[in-house]
Formats: sequence, C-alpha cells, structure tokens
Amino acid sequence: NAGVTQTPKFQVLKTGQSMTLQCAQDMNHNSMYWYRQDPGMGLRLIYYSASEGTTDKGEVPNGYNVSRLNKREFSLRLESAAPSQTSVYFCASSNRFGTGAYGYTFGSGTRLTVV
Amino acid sequence: DQQVKQNSPSLSVQEGRISILNCDYTNSMFDYFLWYKKYPAEGPTFLISISSIKDKNEDGRFTVFLNKSAKHLSLHIVPSQPGDSAVYFCAASADRGSTLGRLYFGRGTQLTVWP
Repeated sequence: NAGVTQTPKFQVLKTGQSMTLQCAQDMNHNSMYWYRQDPGMGLRLIYYSASEGTTDKGEVPNGYNVSRLNKREFSLRLESAAPSQTSVYFCASSNRFGTGAYGYTFGSGTRLTVV
Repeated sequence: DQQVKQNSPSLSVQEGRISILNCDYTNSMFDYFLWYKKYPAEGPTFLISISSIKDKNEDGRFTVFLNKSAKHLSLHIVPSQPGDSAVYFCAASADRGSTLGRLYFGRGTQLTVWP
C-alpha cells in the first residue's frame, strides 16, 4: 500500500546512545516532516524538508539532526539520547489535496523510550 | 507561540448525541483548515478540511464550520458513535510564502463517546 513507512516501530535506548529513525514515502511528495507527540503537548514539529536538498528547523530541533537522503527518504538522528526525548515520533509527507488544501499523510509512528 | 489552539483537552459525549470540538487560530493568513483523527498506536489520519472562502463543509456525519471574523472553527459529529473515540487535531495552513504546505497543529482534544 502506498504511504509513509517508519522504522523501527519501537525502540529502547540508554542515555547517551545514538540512533536513526527512518522514514520513506512512495507518493512522490516533495515535503516531509518529523513530529514528536507528548501527552498534553500535541504534535510538535522537530524538522522539516520542504523539498529534496533542503531542511529547516521546527519548534523543537535541539538534540536532533535530519537528512533528506533523496525525495523518498527523510531520516531523524538522535546523536546522544536523553530521557527527555522519550516520545512517539511521527514522520509525514505533504501533498495538495483535490480540494486545494495541503494535507499530511502520516506514518504509524516510532515509540522511543530513553532510560 | 501557538497559532492554532484547542482549549479543551477532553470531551465526553453519549452515543447518538452531537459532539462539538472547537479550535481557535491567530494567524489571519491561514487559507485552509483541517481536522485529523488519531487512534492510539496509529498515526493521525485526515478527516475533513475547509477552505477559508467557505463557512461550512460536510462529509457524512462530520461538518466543519468556519467563522473567519472570530478566527474560530468547529467540528460537529452527528450522531456520535463509540468508534469516534479518538484524539482530534485541528490544523491550519497558509497557501503562500516560505511555509507553503506546512501544517500548524493544535494540541488535540480527546473525544470519548460512551454507550
């Protein structure tokens, strides 16, 4: 099925470890996004890539880096994980609906726990 | 500074009744407004959208109303069903400028529909 695929679905890290969250979309969308969801905080934008070759910081970029590897793939890296980065991470890609609105298609999320 | 606000973190409604979820925004440049629905352990999925040139959009049991002068929109679900129990996110986008295609999300409202 077409959509946004995130790997892994679950991960437990120790404080200070590093890891990369992978995201790929097969809908030929130009823009891709990384969000984190925390209780009571909604969806907060970490980084986004408006087009292949560009990346920009969102609301909460500290402690993260991203790579737009090609049009399909957008990865999120935690260089030195901290307990405050325990969260559910969502990747999304953006397209213009037939109504004219831009909308996101989200992946199913990565649940990350840092101990 | 949040540009999209959902001031009610939760709403509880009896099955068969109307659910009304509210959303306020501050940026008068927003052109489109969307609602996303999120079940536990899944990514958010698109529900319904409305353009700023309209004041109402219907899709089955779901209707979104937009009051531009008040910078307020609402989602009505009639009749509510237990399967509607989910977190609902309000989102907005501006169809121009450097943030073209980027969605700004509220913090979400947990809707619980009880039998």
